[in-house]
This record gives sequence, structure tokens and C-alpha cells, in this order.
Amino acid sequence: GNSVTQMEGPVTLSEEAFLTINCTYTATGYPSLFWYVQYPGEGLQLLLKATKADDKGSNKGFEATYRKETTSFHLEKGSVQVSDSAVYFCALTASGAGSYQLTFGKGTKLSVIP
Amino acid sequence: DTAVSQTPKYLVTQMGNDKSIKCEQNLGHDTMYWYKQDSKKFLKIMFSYNNKELIINETVPNRFSPKSPDKAHLNLHINSLELGDSAVYFCASSQDHNEQYFGPGTRLTVT
Repeated sequence: GNSVTQMEGPVTLSEEAFLTINCTYTATGYPSLFWYVQYPGEGLQLLLKATKADDKGSNKGFEATYRKETTSFHLEKGSVQVSDSAVYFCALTASGAGSYQLTFGKGTKLSVIP
Repeated sequence: DTAVSQTPKYLVTQMGNDKSIKCEQNLGHDTMYWYKQDSKKFLKIMFSYNNKELIINETVPNRFSPKSPDKAHLNLHINSLELGDSAVYFCASSQDHNEQYFGPGTRLTVT
């Protein structure tokens, strides 16, 4: 079956530090890969996505590259801000029975301190 | 102009009761989903509906029954609530294999 493994949190960084959250996946076929973000008390928002190998998704200073050879989709940001404090979920979709259900990693809580 | 809305936002009820959570999307998407997020933030798919037909039914207890009166609505009815049902339930929608848009969640507390 499909699965997503992401680094355990929580992660605490100082403002302007470099962020990496590791994500690896197992899937049959050619999945699409996503990073979702959940701010405190809110629902999930799509942060970025990549639909094929070597694609780079980017948004709000965050980037992730779809690496088929290493089955990875690591999230990076060069300089984090306090407002980036949230839980980050790596996820994939793979087709099956006409639907594209999301399989999530367990989430990584990021806290950025001034 | 909320894209995916859920009601209620908070639901506190006693064991054994029956309750429903409503979800509506105004994005014109064909597929809608229900996810459960447990206390450790782990998210798991429960159901998916495509054009009013159930196409995924993960191994959830049959006390949970999704109902889709039309493709813009997917409601979740829960019978005989148990303590372990306490969680945050998220509705989502998508068009084909594109990204899913999530509602704000319903925090269910069973006492």
C-alpha cells in the first residue's frame, strides 16, 4: 500500500534559520506529492505540490523537489518566520478505483521563536 | 466566499447519542472526502464520494454513515457515539486528481 514517512517533531528554530523537513514515500505507480500546512485551530491548506519526477513545487518561500530515485519530497525554506509556526504534513495521492485519496504523513510541528 | 464549509465547528455530546456533521462545497468539485484527525494530529481518510457514489470506504465502524444528497454536500452521520470517536473531522473536496481543499474541521468531543 501507499505510505508517507516524515521526520518526527517537534522542531524548534530561531527566526531566519534554515528549515528542512524530510519526507519519503512508498507508492505504486506515479503519485502526486503535496505539502499541506495546518495553522493552530485551522484546517489544512495546500502549501505546494509536484505531480511528476524532478518537478519543484514552491510557495511562500517554501520549496520541495519530487525525487523519484530517492522517493523523497523534502520541504525547505531558507529563512523561517514566526508566522511559519504550524504543523506540516507531507502527503501523496495515487489513483485507485476512480478516486485520489490522500495518504498523509504523521505531521511535523514547527515552532519558530523570535 | 467559503469554499468548503462544515457545521458545527464544535460538537460536544454524550456517549450513545447520534449526531451529524454537515459539509458543503461551492467549488463545483466532483469528489468529496471525510478525514479523521486524532489527538496526535494523524489524518486518515474515512470516506470518499464521487458524483454521489461512494468509492472509498476505509475500515471505519458501520456506526459512521456518509450521506450525499447532491455533489455539493457530503454529510457524516454517527450512531451510538463512543469515547474513541472524539477527534477533529475534516471534510475536503477535489476535482479529479488535483489538490484537495479542506474545510475548517469539526471538533467532536464525546463525554
